[in-house]
Amino acid sequence: AAGVIQSPRHLIKEKRETATLKCYPIPRHDTVYWYQQGPGQDPQFLISFYEKMQSDKGSIPDRFSAQQFSDYHSELNMSSLELGDSALYFCASSPSRTYEQYFGPGTRLTVT
Amino acid sequence: AQSVSQHNHHVILSEAASLELGCNYSYGGTVNLFWYVQYPGQHLQLLLKYFSGDPLVKGIKGFEAEFIKSKFSFNLRKPSVQWSDTAEYFCAVNAKGGGADGLTFGKGTHLIIQP
Repeated sequence: AAGVIQSPRHLIKEKRETATLKCYPIPRHDTVYWYQQGPGQDPQFLISFYEKMQSDKGSIPDRFSAQQFSDYHSELNMSSLELGDSALYFCASSPSRTYEQYFGPGTRLTVT
Repeated sequence: AQSVSQHNHHVILSEAASLELGCNYSYGGTVNLFWYVQYPGQHLQLLLKYFSGDPLVKGIKGFEAEFIKSKFSFNLRKPSVQWSDTAEYFCAVNAKGGGADGLTFGKGTHLIIQP
């Protein structure tokens, strides 16, 4: 079965640089969620989109923004990167606002 | 806002032992409840979920969980664990009704199964 695709899988950036993470949901899933998981931490919800509109917002820093496109893929844009942004960033998708979220493999971001 | 508490941060068991991981949530309204598993270096996989109906839910890999509304609990159980069950287990909740609400996770339980 098709799964959530995230790219890139690994990303190394320097402080104050920008990064863009991409998420391609499971086919026919129209809802996308972003989570941040620090080392040894539980995943923290950042933001979600349903039908290309922002649906719910969690602890997303103002330096981060995200959007969902017409093909339902989503991008998380991160600016002025800080060392503390180093984490695993998961995307999840679900079909039509049902509650079951399927997670992607994650993007490991390292900020040096 | 909802919160999730997992009582055991580290659990070590021998193969064939029975498992119960505790999860309590705090939220005034109706919730959806989940258990996810994260194997080393891998992404989160859904073990089981509770939306409504029978409070005893069965998931993959022989896991089950019981929702006890009066105790705000959703404990995960498995009668006989295997070495391959070594992983991090997360309990999660979101509020029923929003549809696209993010999940609130507990801190996780690191389960180690000794052969």
